[in-house]
Amino acid sequence: EVQLVESGGGLVKPGGSLRLSCAASGFDFSKAWMSWVRQAPGKGLEWVALIKTTPDGGPTDYAAPVKGRFTISRDDSKNTLYLQMNSLKTEDTAVYYCTTNLYFDLWGQGTLVTVSS
Amino acid sequence: EIVMTQSPATLSVSPGERATLSCRASQSVSSSLAWYQQKPGQAPRLLIYGASTRATGFPVRFSGSGSGTEFTLTISSLQPEDIAVYYCLQYNNWPPWTFGQGTKVEIK
Repeated sequence: EVQLVESGGGLVKPGGSLRLSCAASGFDFSKAWMSWVRQAPGKGLEWVALIKTTPDGGPTDYAAPVKGRFTISRDDSKNTLYLQMNSLKTEDTAVYYCTTNLYFDLWGQGTLVTVSS
Repeated sequence: EIVMTQSPATLSVSPGERATLSCRASQSVSSSLAWYQQKPGQAPRLLIYGASTRATGFPVRFSGSGSGTEFTLTISSLQPEDIAVYYCLQYNNWPPWTFGQGTKVEIK
């Protein structure tokens, strides 16, 4: 079955850190561009970060609100995508989804990150 | 950054009637436009890509059209299971990828 499963969300204090994971199965993960997209409670969708494939050099891109604080990475041997989130702010509170390719054709179920004191 | 604007914010349609959702880009995105359906408590699901190609699993009552800056998602005969929020996404000029703010479709 083709699927993405996120994990690692939880409650963290402002200024804290958290690492999200996304386990992929059912497709060739190593050939897929991967992104994180988030959705604040009751709000719309916001692209967060992208990582291309390793043969492409694995370059990354970030949305302005998270640049310098978040790091996207991948381990093709484990079919897993990561998002390291540092210096978290209350406005980072959201459900974080991992998704595939240029137009986000496959989505996980999401993991909730709550930043609150 | 390309700004995507959806209208209306909420659309109330009677069962069996046509629903027409609009998405406008602040500059041309060619045909690099996707639509997503998000039901309450669920992840978004790709509905349309390339402005008009329906994704696997969606019935023919869903159709997309447009190019450049003006796009439309049409549900030809609204069914109760179509109640959801629909988002458009441009993937022509990135980063960043940018979504519209969503249109909530409800039953009248």
